[in-house]
Amino acid sequence: NAGVMQNPRHLVRRRGQEARLRCSPMKGHSHVYWYRQLPEEGLKFMVYLQKENIIDESGMPKERFSAEFPKEGPSILRIQQVVRGDSAAYFCASSQGQGIYEQYFGPGTRLTVT
Amino acid sequence: AQSVTQPDIHITVSEGASLELRCNYSYGATPYLFWYVQSPGQGLQLLLKYFSGDTLVQGIKGFEAEFKRSQSSFNLRKPSVHWSDAAEYFCAVGRYNQGGKLIFGQGTELSVKP
Repeated sequence: NAGVMQNPRHLVRRRGQEARLRCSPMKGHSHVYWYRQLPEEGLKFMVYLQKENIIDESGMPKERFSAEFPKEGPSILRIQQVVRGDSAAYFCASSQGQGIYEQYFGPGTRLTVT
Repeated sequence: AQSVTQPDIHITVSEGASLELRCNYSYGATPYLFWYVQSPGQGLQLLLKYFSGDTLVQGIKGFEAEFKRSQSSFNLRKPSVHWSDAAEYFCAVGRYNQGGKLIFGQGTELSVKP
C-alpha cells in the first residue's frame, strides 16, 4: 500500500507568486488534513477536507490560502501571492474516517519564498 | 483553550539508557492521544495511540506510553534507547467532536550519545 504522497517535496517561489501543493491520500482514505510547520515549531492544523467538501477550515489564514479535494485527483493547497512568512513545511495527512481514526502523514512539501 | 505541552525542548541520553518524554494536555473531555516521530527532513510517523481501554499502550520500535487522567499526561517511554531513535518527537491530542483535528505539542528533540 502506498502511503500518503505529496508533491513537490521542495518548492521555491518568489514573493508574489502562487504555490500549489498536492496531496494524494492513502488508498482507501477519504479524509485529508493539512498542517503547517514553521521553523522550530510544532505542527498547526490548517484545514480538513473530505471529497468535494471543506469540513473545517478554522486554521486557514483568512486571505491568500485555499484548499480543495475534488472528486477525482489529489487535494490541493493553494497559496496566492506568497510572502516570506509562508516559508514552512506543509504536511498532508489522511485518515479513513472522521474523528477517532489515526492520521497518516506524507513526507511534506518544504516551501521557500525568496 | 485546548493545548498540548511538551516541557522538554531538547533531551540527550546515552545509548542504552532509558528514556521518558513528557506530554501534558489541557482538554475538556476525554482526549485521543498520539505520539509521532519525525526524522530530519521527513514526515511524521505514528508511534502509538490511545483511544480508550488499557492506559498503558504499546507502540512500534519498543516505545510505550501511559495515559494518566489525574495528571493530564501521556508520557512516552523506552527502556533502552538506540542511536537510531535520535529524532524529534511530537505529542498530539484530538477530540472526536472536532472532526479529528489534531493539536500538537512543540516537540522534543532527542539526541543520543554513543
